[in-house]
Amino acid sequence: DGGITQSPKYLFRKEGQNVTLSCEQNLNHDAMYWYRQDPGQGLRLIYYSQIVNDFQKGDIAEGYSVSREKKESFPLTVTSAQKNPTAFYLCASSTDYEQYFGPGTRLTVT
Amino acid sequence: QQQVKQSPQSLIVQKGGISIINCAYENTAFDYFPWYQQFPGKGPALLIAIRPDVSEKKEGRFTISFNKSAKQFSLHIMDSQPGDSATYFCAADFGYGQNFVFGPGTRLSVLP
Repeated sequence: DGGITQSPKYLFRKEGQNVTLSCEQNLNHDAMYWYRQDPGQGLRLIYYSQIVNDFQKGDIAEGYSVSREKKESFPLTVTSAQKNPTAFYLCASSTDYEQYFGPGTRLTVT
Repeated sequence: QQQVKQSPQSLIVQKGGISIINCAYENTAFDYFPWYQQFPGKGPALLIAIRPDVSEKKEGRFTISFNKSAKQFSLHIMDSQPGDSATYFCAADFGYGQNFVFGPGTRLSVLP
């Protein structure tokens, strides 16, 4: 059963704490992405990785960090430096052209 | 030049009607134009996509119309159903999935 998994589905944290969101894919895709979606808004690119051990900042990378140690995994850390971290986070991976999305993680920081 | 504009922001259609969502782009390097459907609390799912060498692509009730000279493309949903109620995103790409640009989305509501 191929696809992208994100865990957990819901995540609650206190302000000032770092939190790591998991993203795993078994589609054998080289490229992976993290997007942020706010209510009623479109998708904003946080980071993307085209190959293992390499990643680039997207449009809103401040306050976030990533790693890409394995082809299958692309975890996102939301640091305490991110001023407004409450959002819906989406992970995606891609073939030559098509992007496939995971189910998302809804992060709430209070 | 990397932007993809999308309209309308929201759309209300009666059951059985036609839903039409429009997108426009500037960068002529784009060569892949997908549409995504997103239900609340879920990730977007690829609905249908087109390349600029064709002017129309149809899959079931969903049709993409593409106008290369005008740099515009649109999604038509025929016989719209309440189950089609979702947010629809157009997108454009020109580099092996690594240069995706998404439109801001259209929230479609189909009334029973």
